[in-house]
Amino acid sequence: GDSVTQMEGPVTLSEEAFLTINCTYTATGYPSLFWYVQYPGEGLQLLLKATKADDKGSNKGFEATYRKETTSFHLEKGSVQVSDSAVYFCALSERDSNYQLIWGAGTKLIIKP
Amino acid sequence: DADVTQTPRNRITKTGKRIMLECSQTKGHDRMYWYRQDPGLGLRLIYYSFDVKDINKGEISDGYSVSRQAQAKFSLSLESAIPNQTALYFCATARRGNTDTQYFGPGTRLTVL
Repeated sequence: GDSVTQMEGPVTLSEEAFLTINCTYTATGYPSLFWYVQYPGEGLQLLLKATKADDKGSNKGFEATYRKETTSFHLEKGSVQVSDSAVYFCALSERDSNYQLIWGAGTKLIIKP
Repeated sequence: DADVTQTPRNRITKTGKRIMLECSQTKGHDRMYWYRQDPGLGLRLIYYSFDVKDINKGEISDGYSVSRQAQAKFSLSLESAIPNQTALYFCATARRGNTDTQYFGPGTRLTVL
């Protein structure tokens, strides 16, 4: 079945550092890919998405590119801020899974001032 | 006002008790979902509903039941709570045709002693 694998956390960085959170997937079809973010004490919210190969999703300075050849959707940001501290979830959906979201385990990001 | 609300936000109960978690939304979405979040496991789908008369089991429905009282309300019940149901529970909504963009409530932290 479909699955999503994320790098384990926590990831601890200093403010203004470059961020990469790795995400790879397995899917039977052609999925859409997502990053959701969960700030402390809150529910998840959609950060960005990409629906086809080579698409780049972007929002709030974060970017991720849909790489079909490597089945990856890594999240990047050039200069992180303390306010980016959160848990980040990679997810996919496709027709074969009835468009239900399949979630990664989440990666906790801690940014130190 | 929040679009997706959950009550209670925190609950401590004892093994064997019946518990109901409630979710209400003002987004006008027809799809509603219940997830549980456990550390290191990401989100797992318990039940989902496409409309008031269409309710479906998710990945981990055993030990849970749901009721869709109206388009805006979706309740999750634990008929006889057990300690391994201790988790963070999230309700989410989505619009038909855009079900991979889900909107989450703030979560209910449930502890079963």
